[in-house]
Amino acid sequence: QVQLQESGPGLLKPSQTLSLTCTVSGGSISSGHYYWTWIRQPAGNELEWIGRISPSGSTNYTPSLKSRVTISLDTSKNQFSLKLRSVTAADTAVYYCARDDDSNEAFDMWGQGTRVTVSS
Amino acid sequence: DIHMTQFPPSLSASVGDRVTITCRASQTISRYLNWYQQKPGTAPKLLIYGTSNLQGGVPSRFGGRGSGTDFTLTISSLQPEDFATYYCQQGYNTPRTFGQGTKVEIK
Repeated sequence: QVQLQESGPGLLKPSQTLSLTCTVSGGSISSGHYYWTWIRQPAGNELEWIGRISPSGSTNYTPSLKSRVTISLDTSKNQFSLKLRSVTAADTAVYYCARDDDSNEAFDMWGQGTRVTVSS
Repeated sequence: DIHMTQFPPSLSASVGDRVTITCRASQTISRYLNWYQQKPGTAPKLLIYGTSNLQGGVPSRFGGRGSGTDFTLTISSLQPEDFATYYCQQGYNTPRTFGQGTKVEIK
């Protein structure tokens, strides 16, 4: 059974860079028809797709965050990561990593989520 | 971006009730529509993919229909464990987008 687990700092100051890692267990991120994805949810509100990376390393990002976001893979550690630069209070949210199954275009596995707060 | 509109934003229902939630896409998404259930403090859980396909382990009281721009999620007989927030999501293209959610509360 594949499991995903987010990790990273929970508190940031404005202008800093948010760095989160998702560790995947029970399966390889290098194989299969999956995209590895970051999604966030401010204060129990609407879910926002941030972006994704394929096993080959190709990425897609949501336009509103594209200038500040980088998603990368570390196949040696079976992890993928999110970097969001120049954060503001508007970036305060629960951040989820998830698996996007290319065969049904749905997020079939999710991490438990990690809360990130941006405050001075 | 494809905008997803869900309604109602919330509803109150009793155990045993039939409940229907609607999701509308701003452009055609064929049948690339997924439904998720989220309970407080937990990650969303995939219920239905491709409009009408139940994810493994999801009870058969959950059903999905639609195509193009209009879709529904129906719970045929609401159970206590079904009180949660439900989200639709389009898998037609990127950026992936979600509806605003429908909170199903106990009447």
